[in-house]
Amino acid sequence: AQSVAQPEDQVNVAEGNPLTVKCTYSVSGNPYLFWYVQYPNRGLQFLLKYITGDNLVKGSYGFEAEFNKSQTSFHLKKPSALVSDSALYFCAVRLGTDSWGKLQFGAGTQVVVTP
Amino acid sequence: GAGVSQSPSNKVTEKGKDVELRCDPISGHTALYWYRQSLGQGLEFLIYFQGNSAPDKSGLPSDRFSAERTGGSVSTLTIQRTQQEDSAVYLCASSLDGSTTVAKNIQYFGAGTRLSVL
Repeated sequence: AQSVAQPEDQVNVAEGNPLTVKCTYSVSGNPYLFWYVQYPNRGLQFLLKYITGDNLVKGSYGFEAEFNKSQTSFHLKKPSALVSDSALYFCAVRLGTDSWGKLQFGAGTQVVVTP
Repeated sequence: GAGVSQSPSNKVTEKGKDVELRCDPISGHTALYWYRQSLGQGLEFLIYFQGNSAPDKSGLPSDRFSAERTGGSVSTLTIQRTQQEDSAVYLCASSLDGSTTVAKNIQYFGAGTRLSVL
């Protein structure tokens, strides 16, 4: 079964420091991976996706993610975190060839950036 | 419209009552999805509509849950005889289509409906 795991419930980082949010995946075939962010009382916002090609994917708001096939990981990164990056982050995988529309989400990681 | 619109934003109901949640997708998007976000369960897929095809209902938790999409646009999620465990945020998303071209299938989410069953 396709799945993603986010091993950290919360990540704390000081403003200006690098931010990493971890995600590992388990899929059969080629993985289609996504990162979404959710601000309080808001819906999810798309950040970036990996389909194929370059392992380093650049997305919105200065975020990027590195696809690592050998480690089955798709960690989200930002070189210098902002207080406004404090939010809930979800990794997701698009489910199998018979259900192209569904996304399987990880449990989410709360990011807290302190001034 | 500019984005996915959901109404109401908040709904408080009594146990046993029926509720209807509405989703208005982005204009031109043919695929529409419902998810449920609750403490302890995270984000769960509920149902998926793609054009005129039969919907994928595999995520609906019980027969008290149903959804329809009229005219290929607006969708209504109905929960009958609500239970306290139905309390959650119900999120709707739409995408250009649900094809295998993943670039077209970025899902855009509404702000959700927060359902509280007393």
